[in-house]
Amino acid sequence: QVQLVESGGGVVQPGRSLRLSCGASGFTFSSYAIHWVRQAPGKGLEWVAVISSDGSKKFYADSVKGRFTISRDNSKNTLSLQMNSLRPEDTAVYYCARRDGYNLHLDYWGQGTLVTVSS
Amino acid sequence: QPVLTQPPSSSASPGESARLTCTLPSDINVRRYNIYWYQQRPGSPPRYLLYYYSDSDKGQGSGVPSRFSGSKDASANTGVLLISGLQSEDEADYYCMIWPSNASGVFGGGTKLTVL
Repeated sequence: QVQLVESGGGVVQPGRSLRLSCGASGFTFSSYAIHWVRQAPGKGLEWVAVISSDGSKKFYADSVKGRFTISRDNSKNTLSLQMNSLRPEDTAVYYCARRDGYNLHLDYWGQGTLVTVSS
Repeated sequence: QPVLTQPPSSSASPGESARLTCTLPSDINVRRYNIYWYQQRPGSPPRYLLYYYSDSDKGQGSGVPSRFSGSKDASANTGVLLISGLQSEDEADYYCMIWPSNASGVFGGGTKLTVL
């Protein structure tokens, strides 16, 4: 079955960096664009970034552009999100999600990993 | 990024229907977009429910009951999620979403549905 498992969350000070990972299984990872979506505590969903199936195209929300970098290793079925210059407002649960290639919905989601930016 | 407006809360009794709305900004025509709907229960990741473009172009998520349906009110530039025959398990947060650029996405603020 399709599984996405995030890891790498934790507590980090403002201005520092953190790298999240998303491990995929149960499907042909290299065939799908993968997205990061985050959710601040008690708040709504916010789309963060996407990487195309082959890794050649990357897009970011304005709120993270220039600070976050999305990447993937199709040989290892893993997705990464390098987060630099972290701010308290980046505190959130970060989900990776697969986008269906036909109807374009986010059909499978991981359970999320919590990032807390605090001094 | 455009802002999709959803009422923060809604409530209805078991067996009744709930109509949840998602209003697009005036410079984005709802007629041109698929509207996606997601359900999120406390402590769980979002779950895809359905998308709606038109009566001839729509899709239901795997295992999603047919009492969840989508529509549009073009006069109000709004996407609509209708949940009929409400059940206690439908109590959750509901989010709409569009892809304004096919690559980047935007979510509405979410509606908390209470089943009284």
